[in-house]
Amino acid sequence: KAGVTQTPRYLIKTRGQQVTLSCSPISGHRSVSWYQQTPGQGLQFLFEYFSETQRNKGNFPGRFSGRQFSNSRSEMNVSTLELGDSALYLCASSTGGQGGSPLHFGNGTRLTVT
Amino acid sequence: GESVGLHLPTLSVQEGDNSIINCAYSNSASDYFIWYKQESGKGPQFIIDIRSNMDKRQGQRVTVLLNKTVKHLSLQIAATQPGDSAVYFCAETPWAGNTGKLIFGQGTTLQVKP
Repeated sequence: KAGVTQTPRYLIKTRGQQVTLSCSPISGHRSVSWYQQTPGQGLQFLFEYFSETQRNKGNFPGRFSGRQFSNSRSEMNVSTLELGDSALYLCASSTGGQGGSPLHFGNGTRLTVT
Repeated sequence: GESVGLHLPTLSVQEGDNSIINCAYSNSASDYFIWYKQESGKGPQFIIDIRSNMDKRQGQRVTVLLNKTVKHLSLQIAATQPGDSAVYFCAETPWAGNTGKLIFGQGTTLQVKP
């Protein structure tokens, strides 16, 4: 099975711009979660989508948004970029089932805001 | 302000020795725990998971131990190899594991000396 695929791998944007990141989950996985990883804060949960609905949300401002399509693919959008948004953005998928199903991560999109 | 990088604890072991990586988790209600390995330039890779109704679980060369009394999790790696060098994260969730919302620890860097 192919793993979680994230595109693009690297992005450089300017403050004030917006950006869209894409994630293709493992085939059959219905849950997609997004995380932000920085040296200062570590891995922080952004949000999770399951069957096209946002199921959980972390403590990030409304500039961070996402969506999931009927094929389980997901996109994440960040508007009005700030320097502090520079980070590795990780997507993870799972079956989303009861009782625990581990997240499987992609290799991330490295976003640099200048 | 300027963000400060997390100071990750480092464990340095000799190739062939056993490694033990420890993690203190925060929420006594957490009932599902996962260990991840992250190599440079890659996303976290699933190693092993354990539910709160278990004290121990074994995988290939790895064992996870859970002590709920003191909220402690450990990952044991047998016969450590150079390819085991990476940052290791523990993650927990108090939401019965049926969610993509995990709380990650700060991570431990494992260095394997040849």
